[in-house]
Amino acid sequence: SSELTQDPAVSVALGQTVRITCQGDSLRTYYASWYQQKAGQAPVLVIYGKNNRPSGIPDRFSGSSSGNTASLTITGAQAEDEGDYSCNSRDISAKNVLFGGGTKLTVL
Amino acid sequence: EVQLVESGGGLVQPGGSLRLSCAASGFTFSNYEINWVRQAPGEGLEWVSYITSSGTTMYYADSVKGRFTISRDNAKNSLYLQMNSLRVEDTAVYYCARGERYSDWLTPYYYYYMDVWGKGTTVTVSS
Repeated sequence: SSELTQDPAVSVALGQTVRITCQGDSLRTYYASWYQQKAGQAPVLVIYGKNNRPSGIPDRFSGSSSGNTASLTITGAQAEDEGDYSCNSRDISAKNVLFGGGTKLTVL
Repeated sequence: EVQLVESGGGLVQPGGSLRLSCAASGFTFSNYEINWVRQAPGEGLEWVSYITSSGTTMYYADSVKGRFTISRDNAKNSLYLQMNSLRVEDTAVYYCARGERYSDWLTPYYYYYMDVWGKGTTVTVSS
């Protein structure tokens, strides 16, 4: 199917590790990219490719993938990591672009 | 500084039209495909359309196909979205975003990501 599926919400205790997942057939062909979005702000790319971080993204953010599932892991979550996280890829035809529905991360 | 700046949003009645613009600076605009992505109030990100670097190929989400037209002027470092027959459900913040797609020569996978985003422009469709 041409869609990406994410859990709507996840919570993590301050300083602990959290994994956010994204499932879809396109992830067997494309590495997922991950975006963080805070209220009222534009999305920011945090992970792309096999496990690449743009300049300025802390190394507590990492990515991985297996089969049709991609994961974003935050190791040692901080209060400032709260926000919405969305995954993204092209579809298998490469003619359309897919976004997951987003996961709201709460840091307790 | 690498930057995208959207403009042209506003309030429009159902059935009306609006043209959004996205001005690029700080990079070679003509080397990149560019996307329009929107976000309705309280909802997730929804891809709308993209145009290849040369401007020769465009793709659209089914929700806007036949109503929206993406275009670009590489000489002016600008991207456009002509929106016609607007519906209430088109109400959203519209972002332009630079896209990158390439193959990983070590594996069968492709990379795809949007690494530069504008701050967005708000479109409200209401009577």
